[in-house]
Amino acid sequence: DGGITQSPKYLFRKEGQNVTLSCEQNLNHDAMYWYRQDPGQGLRLIYYSQIVNDFQKGDIAEGYSVSREKKESFPLTVTSAQKNPTAFYLCASSIGRTETQYFGPGTRLLVL
Amino acid sequence: QQQVKQSPQSLIVQKGGISIINCAYENTAFDYFPWYQQFPGKGPALLIAIRPDVSEKKEGRFTISFNKSAKQFSLHIMDSQPGDSATYFCAARSWGGGADGLTFGKGTHLIIQP
Repeated sequence: DGGITQSPKYLFRKEGQNVTLSCEQNLNHDAMYWYRQDPGQGLRLIYYSQIVNDFQKGDIAEGYSVSREKKESFPLTVTSAQKNPTAFYLCASSIGRTETQYFGPGTRLLVL
Repeated sequence: QQQVKQSPQSLIVQKGGISIINCAYENTAFDYFPWYQQFPGKGPALLIAIRPDVSEKKEGRFTISFNKSAKQFSLHIMDSQPGDSATYFCAARSWGGGADGLTFGKGTHLIIQP
């Protein structure tokens, strides 16, 4: 069953803590993306990766970091430098950079 | 800057009615226009998409109308049902342009009243 999985579904972060959100896909897609969704803001691009071992900053990359060591995986770390991390985080993938994107179920990050 | 403007922000339609969501764009390099549907707590799912060489595309109760000269496109949901209540996003893609090739509107929260 092909698709995109994100874990955990809910994540709690303490002040000063780094947390990592997981994103895995078995669609054999080359490109992967991370978006942040806030109420009334739509989807805002954090980072994207077109190929393994390469990634680019999106519109709101400050306070976030990513890695792309495997084609199937694109984890996102929310660092302590991100002062307003509470949001719904969505991972997506596509065959190529400008092909239709398919989204995972999301991770909701809350700050304690 | 917002390259895809979506309206309305929220919409209430009676069951059986027609829901209409509009999007406008400025970048003439956009060549693919998908619509996504998102239910609360879930990721967006591709609903329907259109390319600028056609003026209309229909899939079941969902229709995209595209006006290239006006740089506008819209989603029509016929015979709207309570199960259609969701947030809808329009998007646009440009080859070789933008950070990721897809630019999203800010979304429309649709409520279908029974």
